[in-house]
Amino acid sequence: GDSVTQMEGPVTLSEEAFLTINCTYTATGYPSLFWYVQYPGEGLQLLLKATKADDKGSNKGFEATYRKETTSFHLEKGSVQVSDSAVYFCALSPDSNSGYALNFGKGTSLLVTP
Amino acid sequence: GAVVSQHPSRVICKSGTSVKIECRSLDFQATTMFWYRQFPKKSLMLMATSNEGSKATYEQGVEKDKFLINHASLTLSTLTVTSAHPEDSSFYICSASPQGRAGVQYFGPGTRLLVL
Repeated sequence: GDSVTQMEGPVTLSEEAFLTINCTYTATGYPSLFWYVQYPGEGLQLLLKATKADDKGSNKGFEATYRKETTSFHLEKGSVQVSDSAVYFCALSPDSNSGYALNFGKGTSLLVTP
Repeated sequence: GAVVSQHPSRVICKSGTSVKIECRSLDFQATTMFWYRQFPKKSLMLMATSNEGSKATYEQGVEKDKFLINHASLTLSTLTVTSAHPEDSSFYICSASPQGRAGVQYFGPGTRLLVL
């Protein structure tokens, strides 16, 4: 079945460092891909998404490109801030027959230190 | 932005009792709501999909008689854990998909259940 694999954390970076969180997927059909973020004590929030190959999602300085040839959707940010400390989930939504349920990766915890 | 609430945020109960968790979309109507379960250091696992006014669709391996889901209105879905046991202790998260915006999901903050 469809699945998402993302790098395990925790990831600890200094402020202003470059961030990459790897995410690869396995899917039949033409899935949509998402990154969600969960700040401490809060619910998951959509960070960005891409619905077809070569699309680039971006938001709050984060970006990810839907790469069909490598089945990847890596999350990047050029300069992280302390406020970016959170858990990041890569997710996949199969085609419309699934009812738009999401398959999540295990999550990657990011800690940014001053 | 769209807000989804869950109540309670935390609950502790004795083994054998039942617990009801509410999920509400506060400022939009949700045709579809999803219930997930999250284990420590694990991904969110989809338990079931519920559509307003119809029976929930459960994922393979999820006991529908154990986890009762009711989606009685466009703003409220409930998950009842019946005869809870310690292995049911987990973090339960709901999400809601706005009417007319299939593919978009807004998540609740989650409910931490501890069964003693």
